[in-house]
Amino acid sequence: DAGVIQSPRHEVTEMGQEVTLRCKLISGHNSLFWYRQTMMRGLELLIYFNNNVPIDDSGMPEDRFSAKMPNASFSTLKIQPSEPRDSAVYFCASSFATGERNSPLHFGNGTRLTVT
Amino acid sequence: GNSVTQMEGPVTLSEEAFLTINCTYTATGYPSLFWYVQYPGEGLQLLLKATKADDKGSNKGFEATYRKETTSFHLEKGSVQVSDSAVYFCALRGRGAGKSTFGDGTTLTVKP
Repeated sequence: DAGVIQSPRHEVTEMGQEVTLRCKLISGHNSLFWYRQTMMRGLELLIYFNNNVPIDDSGMPEDRFSAKMPNASFSTLKIQPSEPRDSAVYFCASSFATGERNSPLHFGNGTRLTVT
Repeated sequence: GNSVTQMEGPVTLSEEAFLTINCTYTATGYPSLFWYVQYPGEGLQLLLKATKADDKGSNKGFEATYRKETTSFHLEKGSVQVSDSAVYFCALRGRGAGKSTFGDGTTLTVKP
């Protein structure tokens, strides 16, 4: 199994530009989580989906952020327009929803976003 | 709501020293408990887990026991190696909660 795959690994963009981060879930997993990690705020949950349906988006910072699951194995996180304070490492993670209490999260290696 | 409190870091040890990283939690019901490890430049990965009271999770020489009476899940290793240098996160996941609750992470540095 290839694990959770994120792309790109690094993204450098200018303030005001649109950024799209991509995530491929592990086959068979039906829960998807987007996290952001910074030195100042640590690991923050942005949004999570069960069976392609957004369940909790209370961690999404503002309307500039949006996330979708166009199919069961793929998700995107979009920031439009981007700002320097969005600079962080963005992780996605997947797991089983059924029997979820015992199911660990499987993280990708993250996308390091730098907004100048 | 659920919460996880971890021992503050950073923690610096010499090779072959004994490691303890404390973790306590607050949760309704009977959550599962996890330790994740994050190496530089990588995502978090599962280190070990325990799903019910008195269960002991173990992996790569690390151990943690689910203590319901003290709501704790302390991570231990008898003899650390330089390669154990990483950030360690304690987490819980409750029934029906969907999302996991993570501690703030503890940075471990092991010196030769």
